[in-house]
Parts: sequence; C-alpha cells; structure tokens
Amino acid sequence: RKEVEQDPGPFNVPEGATVAFNCTYSNSASQSFFWYRQDCRKEPKLLMSVYSSGNEDGRFTAQLNRASQYISLLIRDSKLSDSATYLCVVRNTGGFKTIFGAGTRLFVKA
Amino acid sequence: SAVISQKPSRDICQRGTSLTIQCQVDSQVTMMFWYRQQPGQSLTLIATANQGSEATYESGFVIDKFPISRPNLTFSTLTVSNMSPEDSSIYLCSVEVGGGAADTQYFGPGTRLTVL
Repeated sequence: RKEVEQDPGPFNVPEGATVAFNCTYSNSASQSFFWYRQDCRKEPKLLMSVYSSGNEDGRFTAQLNRASQYISLLIRDSKLSDSATYLCVVRNTGGFKTIFGAGTRLFVKA
Repeated sequence: SAVISQKPSRDICQRGTSLTIQCQVDSQVTMMFWYRQQPGQSLTLIATANQGSEATYESGFVIDKFPISRPNLTFSTLTVSNMSPEDSSIYLCSVEVGGGAADTQYFGPGTRLTVL
C-alpha cells in the first residue's frame, strides 16, 4: 500500500462546478498535511496547508480527519485556470520526511 | 519564501554520458532536496543534501549513480552518471523554509532530461 493515495482522476468538470479530491495516508504519526498544485511542465507549488480544524482560502477548502487518516480538498466555482494536477502531501515525524501523492488531474472546461 | 533556479532547464544526452544539474537558492538553507519526477508520476526523493556532510540517499538511489555536492548554503549540484534511457525524467531541486513540521517546500523549475 502506498503511503499517500489519491483519487486517480482525471476529473473533467465544467466551469462553475464544485469538485472534491480525496487523499488517504497510511502513517498515523504523520504530522503535517498540504495540498500542492502542479501545472503542466511546471514545478509544484504550495496551494494550502491543511489544519485539523479545516481551513478555507477563497474557493478552496481543505479538511483533515486524523481518525480516518483522510484529507480532502474542495474547489468551488471552478475556473479554467484551476486545471492542473493537485498533489496531496504528507510530512511525517522523525526527520520530517515528506511524501507526495501521485496527484489528481483536473480539467475544467468552458 | 525562496526563489530557486536550476541549470540547465533541459538537455538531451547520449547514453553512457553524465550530466550535472546546478541548483541555486536566493537564501541560505540547511537542507536541499533532489527529486525525480518521471512522466505521469509524482515526485520521488533521490537524496537530501546538507552543507558540510555527505548526502543522504533514499532507497533505490546510490551515490555512485547520483553524486551530489553541497559546497555552501545556497548551492548544490546533482550529477546523473552513466545515463541510460531509464534516467529520462524531470529532476527538481527543493528547499524547505519556515522551520519544523509546517515548513513550506519550494521547488526549482526542474531540469528536463532526455537520454537517447
């Protein structure tokens, strides 16, 4: 089993749609959680950190469920510019090793 | 934040040759990381480079194949040695900024390597 698993995608959604990505992690000692965004042929960039209480940044909402070892990202009112690969990232204790999920590809269509 | 540059941005190489990738950061950082991202895949950590000590390699990666230098706190190089077509990939340099478990990780633009 992979340490971080994500919805395989791709997700094809129309503009304005709401889309949700899921991610599960296997190490219960994981300490920090993030969503990164990677555009085609570009490097990954931090989208948002994920906090236990859940957090929101504009159209983006991230949730963490430690009991179920589950992370989610919700995108509301999708824009064409949201088309990208979304990487679930988990950082473990003990050396702060960072594990990247395989990513979920999102295509937003006009 | 951190601004990272990498050189070269891309290269096409013959098998059996070696390529050295340079990574420059605009601020001093303790650890620098080298990742590989193969087509359609996520990032795989190759090694962690600390200034003044040997790099720490992840399982499946060895120093003879991927020698790393870290001469100071803003610069590192990764060499891909005796290349084969299986080494065709994007190689990314990365640093963590912030301190502790909540560090933000920044990436360089990557070096796209094709081995013929």
